[in-house]
Amino acid sequence: DAGVTQSPTHLIKTRGQQVTLRCSPKSGHDTVSWYQQALGQGPQFIFQYYEEEERQRGNFPDRFSGHQFPNYSSELNVNALLLGDSALYLCASSSILAGGPSGRNEQFFGPGTRLTVL
Amino acid sequence: AQSVTQLDSQVPVFEEAPVELRCNYSSSVSVYLFWYVQYPNQGLQLLLKYLSGSTLVKGINGFEAEFNKSQTSFHLRKPSVHISDTAEYFCAVSKNQGGKLIFGQGTELSVKP
Repeated sequence: DAGVTQSPTHLIKTRGQQVTLRCSPKSGHDTVSWYQQALGQGPQFIFQYYEEEERQRGNFPDRFSGHQFPNYSSELNVNALLLGDSALYLCASSSILAGGPSGRNEQFFGPGTRLTVL
Repeated sequence: AQSVTQLDSQVPVFEEAPVELRCNYSSSVSVYLFWYVQYPNQGLQLLLKYLSGSTLVKGINGFEAEFNKSQTSFHLRKPSVHISDTAEYFCAVSKNQGGKLIFGQGTELSVKP
């Protein structure tokens, strides 16, 4: 059973460019969340997608947008890149059906995409 | 709003010694509590979680944590650490199990021979 997969592994961009990161959730999962982890920091929640809609959003500007496809995979897009966008971007998946009374089960994380903005 | 404070940024310890990584949280509502581990250049792996019930939670790799509601703490412990436990450890809270996770800054555990 494949876990959460992300592509690419590493990415180098220059300021002002746009980037798209991809995530495939764990088999059986229907919900995808994205996190940004700056160097030496804990991950920060960007947004969560379920049923192809953004359900929750953290404190990130509109330059950060996403999409969820019918097969539950997801993309994170960042426009007008800034130096401060350099970070490890983590995707996590969960299932609304697997959590029982607690709702969704816990989030399973992918290995991340390391984005460097020069 | 919720917040998480991990009280130690770095914890050096010798192999086979006990260790405690401290986590305090702040929330106006009931929360779920989690500990994740991150090995170098990898994603996060769930160690254990507290949803309800017994306040002592056992996780993988011999780790356990105790939920203390009055002290709003969720400290992680292991009675005897191994070199392979060297990693970054993150405490996190969430209002619901699969929802937005709020993480602490992390504690770097360094196990020395």
